[in-house]
Amino acid sequence: EDQVTQSPEALRLQEGESSSLNCSYTVSGLRGLFWYRQDPGKGPEFLFTLYSAGEEKEKERLKATLTKKESFLHITAPKPEDSATYLCAVQANNAGNMLTFGGGTRLMVKP
Amino acid sequence: DSGVTQTPKHLITATGQRVTLRCSPRSGDLSVYWYQQSLDQGLQFLIQYYNGEERAKGNILERFSAQQFPDLHSELNLSSLELGDSALYFCASSVRAGEATEAFFGQGTRLTVV
Repeated sequence: EDQVTQSPEALRLQEGESSSLNCSYTVSGLRGLFWYRQDPGKGPEFLFTLYSAGEEKEKERLKATLTKKESFLHITAPKPEDSATYLCAVQANNAGNMLTFGGGTRLMVKP
Repeated sequence: DSGVTQTPKHLITATGQRVTLRCSPRSGDLSVYWYQQSLDQGLQFLIQYYNGEERAKGNILERFSAQQFPDLHSELNLSSLELGDSALYFCASSVRAGEATEAFFGQGTRLTVV
């Protein structure tokens, strides 16, 4: 069974204090790993897709990396508007296109 | 705005009742997915349709059913509702069914069963 574990569950940062969120996964053949951002009461917003170990993608203050067992979402010099829940999900080769999500990391950035 | 439209945004109903949630995918997307998000379970995959046909099934209860119509919009039907069915229900859409492709989510329908 595919599993995704995210840590920490919650993270408080001061504005400008860089950090990383972790996503550990086990999947029977990875087709893709996805990062989403979710604001309270809203739908998940797509951020990145990573397909193979060693791949990296960047968007503004966010950078996602992938190894064979985990992915990291690095946040550089965060701002209060980066406060949200960040979700990691995997898509397996044999699972149609369903996504298996982790529990998320709730990020709070204080000014 | 992801381009995925869900209606209604909020729904309050009594136990034992039946409701229908509606989803219009992004223009051009053939695949529609339904997910349930509750506080204790996180985001759980329910079911996927591709161009009108069921493609994959997750932990969807027998009381729940879905379909995708020729115009590609989808409906999720929830019947014999229980208190535990209270949750956010999300629809997502993507273009292709067989490759890794990002899914875009709607804003969800918040269902409250009283």
